[in-house]
Amino acid sequence: LAKTTQPISMDSYEGQEVNITCSHNNIATNDYITWYQQFPSQGPRFIIQGYKTKVTNEVASLFIPADRKSSTLSLPRVSLSDTAVYYCLVGAYSGNTPLVFGKGTRLSVIA
Amino acid sequence: DAGVTQSPTHLIKTRGQQVTLRCSPKSGHDTVSWYQQALGQGPQFIFQYYEEEERQRGNFPDRFSGHQFPNYSSELNVNALLLGDSALYLCASSPARGSRNEQFFGPGTRLTVL
Repeated sequence: LAKTTQPISMDSYEGQEVNITCSHNNIATNDYITWYQQFPSQGPRFIIQGYKTKVTNEVASLFIPADRKSSTLSLPRVSLSDTAVYYCLVGAYSGNTPLVFGKGTRLSVIA
Repeated sequence: DAGVTQSPTHLIKTRGQQVTLRCSPKSGHDTVSWYQQALGQGPQFIFQYYEEEERQRGNFPDRFSGHQFPNYSSELNVNALLLGDSALYLCASSPARGSRNEQFFGPGTRLTVL
């Protein structure tokens, strides 16, 4: 399994764009990159998944360079409600593959 | 659609006791996975059930066992509780042929072992 490395914590002011980078140097050819979000006292929630280049949905954008050894989750104009832990996961493309979580990045949004 | 539900919300047990946690998957999902999340850590995969059988298992001892019922709901049983079993236990459901690496998590059961 590809090991992931991401910052332990980040702070941001409301209204700013936040970029969280994840390193995954040993990513395999058939691995996808998935990001989950977890609020306090809740289970994680799927945010976005991608294989290469750029993926965008209503919540976030995911940027993946050509070598796929890293990825960046971009949250536009964050609000206080975006305060959460963000997890970068790398693994096979399947809804039933066990998810392998690291410690994640704790994002604190400040007013 | 109620999503994934878990019961109880909180539980306090003493060392050596046994505990059963329950999970109802999201409507239309037939696969249930269980995760353990210690304080300050990411969730760790315990096992997964599909068609009432344990399909995959993580690195957890045999004290952790489970069951899936015909209606796809699931139980997690932990025997001979240790202090280190104190954690948030998360249940996640997914369809058998998911189109992406998405599992839907419940709010969890907070287990405290004294």
